[in-house]
Amino acid sequence: QQQVKQSPQSLIVQKGGISIINCAYENTAFDYFPWYQQFPGKGPALLIAIRPDVSEKKEGRFTISFNKSAKQFSLHIMDSQPGDSATYFCAALTWVDYKLSFGAGTTVTVRA
Amino acid sequence: NAGVTQTPKFQVLKTGQSMTLQCAQDMNHNSMYWYRQDPGMGLRLIYYSASEGTTDKGEVPNGYNVSRLNKREFSLRLESAAPSQTSVYFCASSDKRRSGANVLTFGAGSRLTVL
Repeated sequence: QQQVKQSPQSLIVQKGGISIINCAYENTAFDYFPWYQQFPGKGPALLIAIRPDVSEKKEGRFTISFNKSAKQFSLHIMDSQPGDSATYFCAALTWVDYKLSFGAGTTVTVRA
Repeated sequence: NAGVTQTPKFQVLKTGQSMTLQCAQDMNHNSMYWYRQDPGMGLRLIYYSASEGTTDKGEVPNGYNVSRLNKREFSLRLESAAPSQTSVYFCASSDKRRSGANVLTFGAGSRLTVL
């Protein structure tokens, strides 16, 4: 059973639009919540990450919003570009065992 | 800087055949991992090695064995391949940093098909 639930499975957005991916977790022991970006034929690469004591983190056009009480977090891609077309995974880990638990992934397609 | 290197990139096996996926990292990381990626299921941990000389089961270890050959290399072996093991396999490594952490660095993947 996946410890991190991710939705939607896929989304299509127009260039310049906002992509939103949602994740939820149950294990309150998680210490760190990274997001990975994966292009076809490549391995996942870290995109952005957040600690549970922070409610929002922004890096360029990518923002993580974190709601600790609801045990939910989300990735917002602002001004989406065709180059953002990829699969995005949310993940979580505890510092103790340092094993990532991944969501199922969201395939984002940005139409020009 | 190569990072994490996996071989082979593609492999086709028949049911019952055995094979070993190789992984090497040049970042002097202590921890190494093997994940499998299947559509709609994300990445699931097969085995991991917290440090040289230690290995532990992950979420889906059945049908696999691993060897941490040295600090750089971590191999995954399928003794008797089954169609259910058709997947893309990723090796990863980590220095287990807690701040500004890259967390895991992944290889490019090995696509395995079992007929």
